[in-house]
Amino acid sequence: DIQMTQSPSSLSASVGDRVTFTCRASQNIGSYLNWYQQKPGKVPKLLICAASSLQSGVPSRFTGSGSGTDFTLTISSLQPEDFATYFCQQSFSLTPTFGQGTKVEIK
Amino acid sequence: QVQLVESGGGFVKPGGSLRLSCAASGFSFSDNSMNWIRQAPGKGLEWISYITSSGSNTYYADSAKGRFTISRDNAKNSLFLQMNSLRAEDTAMYYCARTRAYSYGVNAFDIWGRGTMVTVSS
Repeated sequence: DIQMTQSPSSLSASVGDRVTFTCRASQNIGSYLNWYQQKPGKVPKLLICAASSLQSGVPSRFTGSGSGTDFTLTISSLQPEDFATYFCQQSFSLTPTFGQGTKVEIK
Repeated sequence: QVQLVESGGGFVKPGGSLRLSCAASGFSFSDNSMNWIRQAPGKGLEWISYITSSGSNTYYADSAKGRFTISRDNAKNSLFLQMNSLRAEDTAMYYCARTRAYSYGVNAFDIWGRGTMVTVSS
């Protein structure tokens, strides 16, 4: 299976901060990388597919980039509703795998 | 509206069985591939199984192979997961999720149900 490693596991930030976290694949997955946001007690929500394509309705402060093995998700100006856990997921193989998540907490 | 509603979770002893169901509405279920994804309490997401729109092909994570069986009834807009030989480590919230195909052949899980909790304990 393709292993997905996210870093950091958690981070503390303030409203208005620019935050970036990463996702690394154990092999080349091209742009077959998706990002999900999960708020406590809620269902995961698809934010970005194909590494950089923002889903309809997702604010433009979210940006995804990368290809191959290294990917990043950037929030340009953190808002109160963005405090959540973010998961990356590869769809390159027939057996998709998720990263362990990055939890964004309020500083 | 587009909706997935899971049911069938509950408490079961190790070695027991459960059958989860997922009722789809608001979209053409028979045209979409579907998945089961689980999340242990306080943990990350784990994809478990996938079934093509017709049901002709299925795939499983290693943790589910030989114990879990995914199936669907397109006439009833329903997805199922038969879970046998359950273990404590199968304790999790189980979500059904739709696969959507995007450009360049990228697939993603675009619609999720609210989940059904499975607890395996003696």
